[in-house]
Amino acid sequence: GEDVEQSLFLSVREGDSSVINCTYTDSSSTYLYWYKQEPGAGLQLLTYIFSNMDMKQDQRLTVLLNKKDKHLSLRIADTQTGDSAIYFCAEKRNQGGKLIFGQGTELSVKP
Amino acid sequence: DTAVSQTPKYLVTQMGNDKSIKCEQNLGHDTMYWYKQDSKKFLKIMFSYNNKELIINETVPNRFSPKSPDKAHLNLHINSLELGDSAVYFCASSRGSSDGYTFGSGTRLTVV
Repeated sequence: GEDVEQSLFLSVREGDSSVINCTYTDSSSTYLYWYKQEPGAGLQLLTYIFSNMDMKQDQRLTVLLNKKDKHLSLRIADTQTGDSAIYFCAEKRNQGGKLIFGQGTELSVKP
Repeated sequence: DTAVSQTPKYLVTQMGNDKSIKCEQNLGHDTMYWYKQDSKKFLKIMFSYNNKELIINETVPNRFSPKSPDKAHLNLHINSLELGDSAVYFCASSRGSSDGYTFGSGTRLTVV
């Protein structure tokens, strides 16, 4: 994730909103993704946004994209203890279509 | 179940051995990938195959050799295993340019 940056840890109280931030570097990336990884499990695709969109909402999840600043965020409303996991943002590079991942943000939800 | 499945889930082996990890997807996807996740959870792409053809080969030691007998399978063979190869290896597949990847549950490789 040398080109995609995320903060490593976030701790919130149950019921609060969580906001996980990500910056990327390739302005030509057409799709940006958020994945969730629970302990000992693989990566689960949560949502994605096309680069010509500013916002996408899906139930408790809201993705905001600031293409000018190459900044992506994931907001989780009414965060639950089951949301505790590592969240990865990823950009899809045009070259080869490969996904480049951030380092992951470990979200801890306290009751 | 439609999925990306990897075997084995855990692999413990001694330095110098040769081992293989298998991956199969029944999603009808054209492209498959191998990623390595290190102890700090950093995910890095290793290889990508599209319809059995290698399209991405990142800076990976020659000891790692992918094999794709058909578009539903992408296996990873590792020769002369080293301690630094210990990691979780994820297989993934995707259908098209807009699709995210579907990941397998990972193979935890421990070299002792």
